[in-house]
Amino acid sequence: EIVLTQSPGTLSLSPGEGATLSCRASQSVSSTYLAWYQQRPGQAPRLLIYGASSRATGIPDRFSGSGSGTDFTLTISRLEPEDFAVYYCQQYGGSPKWTFGQGTKVEIK
Amino acid sequence: EVQLVESGGALVQPGGSLRLSCAASGFTVSGNYMSWVRQAPGKGLEWVSLIYGGTNTYYADSVKGRFTISRDISKNTLYLQMNSLRAEDTAVYYCATGRYYGDYWGQGTLVTVSS
Repeated sequence: EIVLTQSPGTLSLSPGEGATLSCRASQSVSSTYLAWYQQRPGQAPRLLIYGASSRATGIPDRFSGSGSGTDFTLTISRLEPEDFAVYYCQQYGGSPKWTFGQGTKVEIK
Repeated sequence: EVQLVESGGALVQPGGSLRLSCAASGFTVSGNYMSWVRQAPGKGLEWVSLIYGGTNTYYADSVKGRFTISRDISKNTLYLQMNSLRAEDTAVYYCATGRYYGDYWGQGTLVTVSS
C-alpha cells in the first residue's frame, strides 16, 4: 500500500509570500492519479489540482502542481488571505482506493 | 450545477447502526463513481467506500463487513449503511464524485459514536 507523506506539517507565511508544499510517495505513483485539495476550516475539501499539474475548474492560476514518480509539489505563488487552509495530496491506488497524505497547514505568520 | 447534500448523521451508541444519505443534483449518481470519505475530529481525510455501475462496491479495510454503500437511482441518492459502529467511526462523513479523485464534495454530516 502506498503511503503519502506531506511536508512540512505547518507552514507559517505572510500574505503575498509564496508557498511550496511537498508530497512524497512510498512508491512510484502515476502522475495521472495524483491530486491536491484545499480544506478551509469547517468546509469540505475542494479539488485544486488533478493529474499532478492540471488545475480544476475555477482554481486561480497562482496554484500550480508539479512532480512525478515519488515527489510531487503544490506551489502557491502569492498567498491571498483565503489561501490559509489545510492542503492534502491524494493518490488513486487502484483496487479502487484513494489514499491521502496527512495534510499541510498553511497558517498566517 | 452539481450539488451533493449529506444527511443522517447523529449521536449513536457503540454497536449501533446508522444510514447516511447523499442527495445529488446536477448529475446522475448512476453514471458516476461515488465515494464516501470521512474525517475524524482534528484529523485528516480517510477514504471509506466507493460504488460504480450499481453492483461494484469497494471498502476500506477499517469498515469492511460493517458498512454497505448503495444508491437509489430513482431518488438520485447515495447511501452508506453503517452497522456495528465503534468510537473510532466518529467523524464527519463526506460524499464525493469521481473515479481517480474527488471532483465535487458535499458539506458533510457528523457521526458521533459514544455512550
